[in-house]
Amino acid sequence: DVKVTQSSRYLVKRTGEKVFLECVQDMDHENMFWYRQDPGLGLRLIYFSYDVKMKEKGDIPEGYSVSREKKERFSLILESASTNQTSMYLCASSSSGGSYEQYFGPGTRLTVT
Amino acid sequence: GNSVTQMEGPVTLSEEAFLTINCTYTATGYPSLFWYVQYPGEGLQLLLKATKADDKGSNKGFEATYRKETTSFHLEKGSVQVSDSAVYFCALSDRGGGNKLTFGTGTQLKVEL
Repeated sequence: DVKVTQSSRYLVKRTGEKVFLECVQDMDHENMFWYRQDPGLGLRLIYFSYDVKMKEKGDIPEGYSVSREKKERFSLILESASTNQTSMYLCASSSSGGSYEQYFGPGTRLTVT
Repeated sequence: GNSVTQMEGPVTLSEEAFLTINCTYTATGYPSLFWYVQYPGEGLQLLLKATKADDKGSNKGFEATYRKETTSFHLEKGSVQVSDSAVYFCALSDRGGGNKLTFGTGTQLKVEL
């Protein structure tokens, strides 16, 4: 079975804290993605990565950064958390071949107080 | 650019009713099309896919046919169950854009006894 895991299901942080969200996939996928999901707005792409040490901005990169030091791991970093970053964060991965379907982790619900 | 439009929810049905969730898309080229399902508190799971015109994707009693002439990929199920209550997302691949997916905003389905 394909597997994408995220480091936490629920996280509560204070405004101004640096926050790390970790994602690991065991499918040897080249591509990895970070989304946030908010009611009424669907999924919005924050950042994605084609390969180790490669990253591309998505639709809403402001306030976020990412790191991909190993193929299986893709980290999302909130440099200084703010209350408007309270959201559900979803990680996904996909292969570069085939039809490009993405496989998702269970999500991290982040609350910033 | 690419876009996906889904019918607004929530859709409320009685058990054993027929389900249709409409999805239309705008894309350059020939995308692959997907339906994902998200159960409460979980990440997205791939439900079905179709990679070329006239393909029919099917899984767990759900079906969708890739209609290029009407740029549609409507999700159908003949007899829904309470356990089908979830949010359903239509998506398309962007082969020219780094394997990204473009998602619709999601349609919530509630099935009642």
